[in-house]
Amino acid sequence: DAGVIQSPRHEVTEMGQEVTLRCKPISGHDYLFWYRQTMMRGLELLIYFNNNVPIDDSGMPEDRFSAKMPNASFSTLKIQPSEPRDSAVYFCASSAYGTGRGNTEAFFGQGTRLTVV
Amino acid sequence: AQSVTQLGSHVSVSEGALVLLRCNYSSSVPPYLFWYVQYPNQGLQLLLKYTSAATLVKGINGFEAEFKKSETSFHLTKPSAHMSDAAEYFCAVSPNTGNQFYFGTGTSLTVIP
Repeated sequence: DAGVIQSPRHEVTEMGQEVTLRCKPISGHDYLFWYRQTMMRGLELLIYFNNNVPIDDSGMPEDRFSAKMPNASFSTLKIQPSEPRDSAVYFCASSAYGTGRGNTEAFFGQGTRLTVV
Repeated sequence: AQSVTQLGSHVSVSEGALVLLRCNYSSSVPPYLFWYVQYPNQGLQLLLKYTSAATLVKGINGFEAEFKKSETSFHLTKPSAHMSDAAEYFCAVSPNTGNQFYFGTGTSLTVIP
């Protein structure tokens, strides 16, 4: 498997523009997570899905952020309109529920570095 | 609620010296525990994990960690630091019946030649 694939790797956009980040999880994984990483806040969980259904979106900062998972192999994180304070590295991760207790480890993508100017 | 605390946001060691990165967790029952490493401009990569089997867990690149229930700790060690170990290290916990991963704030390891 190629691992978790995110695109684009880098995105530079102007304030007010719509930004869409994409993620393809590892095949067979039933959990998908979106994280945001900044120097100030570290690694923050934004939202996670189980079997394509959003389970917890309490980490989504504002209504400007939305995430979808139309099928098991694709998810998007959209910011509309974007603001300079949204500049960060956004990571997608996926995991499978273990046969024992709880989840196995999370596998991370390479991240999308977003810069809003 | 689950959480992890990483003591020391920055750790510096000399090349060849012992590496010790600290992680304490809070949980009413022993959870799953993980250590991840992040190299510059890359995603997080799993170093090792504890899933209630052996309390001493060996990972990649010569790292190991010991689960100590009495101390609610899962410290990461490596006997001899190498320059290539310079990176950001994250401790994470996943509840034994839950679905989320809770990450610590990370420890930046610097290796001095």
